[in-house]
Amino acid sequence: EAGVAQSPRYKIIEKRQSVAFWCNPISGHATLYWYQQILGQGPKLLIQFQNNGVVDDSQLPKDRFSAERLKGVDSTLKIQPAKLEDSAVYLCASTTPGAGGTTDTQYFGPGTRLTVL
Amino acid sequence: EDKVVQSPLSLVVHEGDTVTLNCSYEVTNFRSLLWYKQEKKAPTFLFMLTSSGIEKKSGRLSSILDKKELFSILNITATQTGDSAIYLCAVTRYNTDKLIFGTGTRLQVFP
Repeated sequence: EAGVAQSPRYKIIEKRQSVAFWCNPISGHATLYWYQQILGQGPKLLIQFQNNGVVDDSQLPKDRFSAERLKGVDSTLKIQPAKLEDSAVYLCASTTPGAGGTTDTQYFGPGTRLTVL
Repeated sequence: EDKVVQSPLSLVVHEGDTVTLNCSYEVTNFRSLLWYKQEKKAPTFLFMLTSSGIEKKSGRLSSILDKKELFSILNITATQTGDSAIYLCAVTRYNTDKLIFGTGTRLQVFP
């Protein structure tokens, strides 16, 4: 079974520029998450999709971050304009309900390391 | 506010040592606790714990949850250099699938 795919793996931009990340979840996984992991911290949820609908975007800085999952499969996360504090690893994860009906076990992609100069 | 605290923040041991990593939590409507290993960038799933007192084991790794005292431990016996990683603890709540992560414990195993 192929894992969660993300691209690019690395990105360096200057502040105020725009950047986009792409994620393709594990086939059949209806739930997709984007996390931001700043160096020295645990991942923090930015947005959760169930199919192509947003379930939770309470921690997404909506003035500069946006995400979409138009066909309920792959997703893009965009930052426009980027700030220095956006330097982090952006992780995508996906999951599907298990026998108990929960989606606790999330499977992560390799992440994109963003550096904003 | 939901809180997940891991200790120690960093640990340096020699191969063959046994280590114990701690995770305490304060969340409303607790559902489960998960352990992940993060070597380069992608966290990889280790264990999910939902019931107190039932040990989960995989090779040299084991974990147990205490829902009364609100903590979990992850044990690694006979450590190897390949165990060097950041170990992340996360919890989930009922009515949401969101993972709430701690800051992680960085383990370094030297030969």
